[in-house]
Amino acid sequence: DTGVSQNPRHKITKRGQNVTFRCDPISEHNRLYWYRQTLGQGPEFLTYFQNEAQLEKSRLLSDRFSAERPKGSFSTLEIQRTEQGDSAMYLCASSFPPPGKQFFGPGTRLTVL
Amino acid sequence: GQQLNQSPQSMFIQEGEDVSMNCTSSSIFNTWLWYKQEPGEGPVLLIALYKAGELTSNGRLTAQFGITRKDSFLNISASIPSDVGIYFCAGHYNNAGNMLTFGGGTRLMVKP
Repeated sequence: DTGVSQNPRHKITKRGQNVTFRCDPISEHNRLYWYRQTLGQGPEFLTYFQNEAQLEKSRLLSDRFSAERPKGSFSTLEIQRTEQGDSAMYLCASSFPPPGKQFFGPGTRLTVL
Repeated sequence: GQQLNQSPQSMFIQEGEDVSMNCTSSSIFNTWLWYKQEPGEGPVLLIALYKAGELTSNGRLTAQFGITRKDSFLNISASIPSDVGIYFCAGHYNNAGNMLTFGGGTRLMVKP
């Protein structure tokens, strides 16, 4: 299967701990996105990479959040000093021009106790 | 910012019935997309629309890009139990970067 993959699928952590998620996009896609989805809501945009450059960040991405995409391949999203409000599904998507047509991975479900 | 209103919020229908749902925006979009999401999974792209007035089908699914560019519609014909899930509309505006703006979703339940 050559779709978007995300690891881990589930993460349970205690408040104050740091967590890191990984996303592997579709191999020929140069654009990569992170979204956050809370229960009963649609996904909300967090950040966007074109190749290795992080070009957009939402105001939802507080200072505790950092994302990287070294070498323009996989990406990581780190949350430092997790809070209970960080509990959500973190979704990664990738695309190739034209813009807009984004393909999502299965997500990482984060639970902060 | 842009807001997408999706309706209905939920539908409970009999197998074999046709389904219609829609999405409206306060602003125009250049691209409309429809996704389906099942529990514990990411959204799966169903249909992408790029031009006002465009009508596109994918099997039993048909979607339209409204001529005002502020709305879109999704129809499912002859529903089956595996159509169960949450359907999301999403819009993209070229001058708003690369983010998608999502609606709140329509939860579809199908009774066999």
